[in-house]
Amino acid sequence: EVQLVESGGGLVQPGGSLRLSCAASGFTFRTYWMHWVRQAPGKGLVWVSRINSDGSSTNYADSVKGRFTISRDNAKNTLYLQMDSLRADDTAVYYCARDEEWLVGDSWGQGTLVTVSS
Amino acid sequence: DIQMTQSPSSLSASVGDRVTITCRASQGIRNDLGWYQQKPGKAPKRLIYAASSLQSGVPSRFSGSGSGTEFTLTISCLQPEDFATYYCLQHNSYPWTFGQGTKVEIK
Repeated sequence: EVQLVESGGGLVQPGGSLRLSCAASGFTFRTYWMHWVRQAPGKGLVWVSRINSDGSSTNYADSVKGRFTISRDNAKNTLYLQMDSLRADDTAVYYCARDEEWLVGDSWGQGTLVTVSS
Repeated sequence: DIQMTQSPSSLSASVGDRVTITCRASQGIRNDLGWYQQKPGKAPKRLIYAASSLQSGVPSRFSGSGSGTEFTLTISCLQPEDFATYYCLQHNSYPWTFGQGTKVEIK
């Protein structure tokens, strides 16, 4: 069974940093592209970032480019999102998801809440 | 960036109704589009990929169509478990973009 479990969310002050993790199991993690998607409270889904299978290629939403860094450790079956220079509008539930058929697929984590507030 | 305009933003419908949701892209995206369903407090679930391919395990009352700039998600006979929010997502070019969502409520 495919499992994705996010962790690392919490309360952080504006301008601070946080690193999210997504532990993968039940599939051959190193062969899949992966994504981060976020959802602010009461708002819609926003695609944040994606990384290819070996970590050599990444893409970002305009709103996080230059502040967030996606990475992965295939030996640890773990996806990361390093978030720096956090702003109040980064407050959201962050989901990791597996790429399937070159699109965000049907395998998502449960999400981790990031709150940016003083 | 490609903008995805989804309509309507919300609708009220009854069990058994046929429901259609539309997504329009600001430029042509071939068939690089998926549809997702999300229920409160839950992660989204993919319904459709490549604009019209049904995700494995998804009931056949869900269907997708379109290509280029206009896409539709149709629920042929609305069931109680279909009351949720639906999103389209374009993956033709980065940054990928979701529509703003359509909330399907019980009439």
